[in-house]
Amino acid sequence: DQQVKQNSPSLSVQEGRISILNCDYTNSMFDYFLWYKKYPAEGPTFLISISSIKDKNEDGRFTVFLNKSAKHLSLHIVPSQPGDSAVYFCAGSGNTGKLIFGQGTTLQVKP
Amino acid sequence: ETGVTQSPTHLIKTRGQQVTLRCSSQSGHNTVSWYQQALGQGPQFIFQYYREEENGRGNFPPRFSGLQFPNYSSELNVNALELDDSALYLCASSPTGTRVNYGYTFGSGTRLTVV
Repeated sequence: DQQVKQNSPSLSVQEGRISILNCDYTNSMFDYFLWYKKYPAEGPTFLISISSIKDKNEDGRFTVFLNKSAKHLSLHIVPSQPGDSAVYFCAGSGNTGKLIFGQGTTLQVKP
Repeated sequence: ETGVTQSPTHLIKTRGQQVTLRCSSQSGHNTVSWYQQALGQGPQFIFQYYREEENGRGNFPPRFSGLQFPNYSSELNVNALELDDSALYLCASSPTGTRVNYGYTFGSGTRLTVV
């Protein structure tokens, strides 16, 4: 049972443009959603989170949108930079604190 | 402030052997979780320890076991290794018991290869 899904394995965008990474979930009990970024040979790094009672959270170039009725969230990166090239994971968290991750989306930002 | 450190970084074991992976939590963090990341997949929750007690477990068999020590460092032990245990094992720490709206701090992981 895949509770969190990232259906796009990869995404390529031009530097300066917007990157939109998508994530779908099935578990209505998640109360937080988180995005992590992972470079090769490093552990995942926390990027941004959103409470299930919010529909938007913004932090600099990163904005996460949550659509609870559609059970969908997205991460927007504007403007995209070559250093943003990495694997991005979305994750849901319930009251146990454990994270349920999606499969990841590899973002490539071309100069 | 030191981050989460894991050892060893790489390990090769033979099927049927036992392995111990180690993790030093970030200073001040009393909660540690272990995740298994298979190739091309997202990390999967193995278990979590809070103040030396296991307080959550994922869908992993009993041959996956753990310990948390008074200094909040942690071990993951896997007995009777199988080929499918080959993966990146990630340790993550947090200063809270269970609530993590701001994210865990992950180590760089131990790459385990079972042959």
